[in-house]
Amino acid sequence: QLQLQESGPGLVKPSETLSLTCTVSGGSISSSSYYWGWIRQPPGKGLEWIGSIYYSGSTYYNPSLKSRVTISVDTSKNQFSLKLSSVTAADTAVYYCARLTEAFHGWGQGTLVTVSS
Amino acid sequence: EIVLTQSPGTLSLSPGERATLSCRASQSVSSSYLAWYQQKPGQAPRLLIYGASSRATGIPDRFSGSGSGTDFTLTISRLEPEDFAVYYCQQYGSSPPGYTFGQGTKLEIK
Repeated sequence: QLQLQESGPGLVKPSETLSLTCTVSGGSISSSSYYWGWIRQPPGKGLEWIGSIYYSGSTYYNPSLKSRVTISVDTSKNQFSLKLSSVTAADTAVYYCARLTEAFHGWGQGTLVTVSS
Repeated sequence: EIVLTQSPGTLSLSPGERATLSCRASQSVSSSYLAWYQQKPGQAPRLLIYGASSRATGIPDRFSGSGSGTDFTLTISRLEPEDFAVYYCQQYGSSPPGYTFGQGTKLEIK
């Protein structure tokens, strides 16, 4: 059964770079059928797609975050990663990784990242 | 960018009743690219419906999706206690590629 697990620091200082990794188990990240992506949810608010990546490294990002986001993949470790630069308090959220086609078919449990000095 | 507007914001119903949740798009969405999710407190969203009307694996048949163009509906035929949660619709756009979510409908026990 597919499982996704987010990992990374739970606290990031303003202006620094948020870095998270998603480890995929129970399935190959190199599957040709799926993309892999990141979604976030500020406390008490709705869902926002951040960006997605294919195992080949092809990416596409939310235009509102594109200038600050980098998503990468490491097929040897069955992982993909998120970097969000120049963070502010507005980037405080639960960050989810997911497997996707035109919908998000499998989700990690999420990890709360707080931006604070 | 396509904007999804969900209504109502909050829906108060009793177990056993029928729930009808609406998702309206600012421009036409391909039915293949409209999905619904359920989210309970402290949990990740769970895919219920994709392709506007196809149930995801393991989803009970009391959940159904319908609609086309700009108007889509999620119906829960007979509410069970575990169905009270927040529901989101989501669309995928292919040009440029990307995803947007509605703001959510909270289904609460009356």
